[in-house]
Amino acid sequence: SSELTQDPAVSVALGQTVRITCQGDSLRTYYASWYQQKPGQAPVLVIYGKNNRPSGIPDRFSGSSSGNTASLTITGAQAEDEADYYCNSRDSSGNPVFGGGTKLTVL
Amino acid sequence: QVQLVESGGGLVKPGGSLRLSCAASGFTFRDYYMSWIRQAPGKGLEWVSYISSSSRYTNYADSVKGRFTISRDNAKNSLYLQMNSLRAEDTAVYYCARDAGAGPIIDAFDIWGQGTMVTVSS
Repeated sequence: SSELTQDPAVSVALGQTVRITCQGDSLRTYYASWYQQKPGQAPVLVIYGKNNRPSGIPDRFSGSSSGNTASLTITGAQAEDEADYYCNSRDSSGNPVFGGGTKLTVL
Repeated sequence: QVQLVESGGGLVKPGGSLRLSCAASGFTFRDYYMSWIRQAPGKGLEWVSYISSSSRYTNYADSVKGRFTISRDNAKNSLYLQMNSLRAEDTAVYYCARDAGAGPIIDAFDIWGQGTMVTVSS
């Protein structure tokens, strides 16, 4: 089982704001990164560190953290944001670990 | 452009071996840590192994330790994963990914290949 816990599924109405969370003790020490994965495609990094977006990632994606919980927020969700989202940090051994993933549905 | 291209996947019997390759282009490969990450059909992402830029450091997930070996050839801009004693549970898409090097308390894989499928079945 993953040391990072995510809700399996979340839905949001088109144009509304949605928050996807990731919980784990390691998040008190390490930042989370977030990946978007669409069916049949490789994951894409959307947020890393405190709140950094790689080039080309829309500014409607943002990240935050508090205690043992990291969050990915999409402000004004678009149809193309429908995807699986994974958080990533370190486990208790200091190795990379991924959350179980959250399937985002845009209604 | 910055790119990673995996190859070497396929169908192998339980107990067999396979060597995956990942060709990097568009960036200074020797400057980056690299990882292999896999995804079983319909499942989430699982980190498998990483290797430091100079090959000095490697590490493995417990699920593959002692069976898989990661290596790289910086002169050829290539990353490898030698997989031995394969099991049905190793069936997955295997991605190579670049560590963004964003800092000591940040894990971030900023470049991913398209993946190569490994199927372990008799």
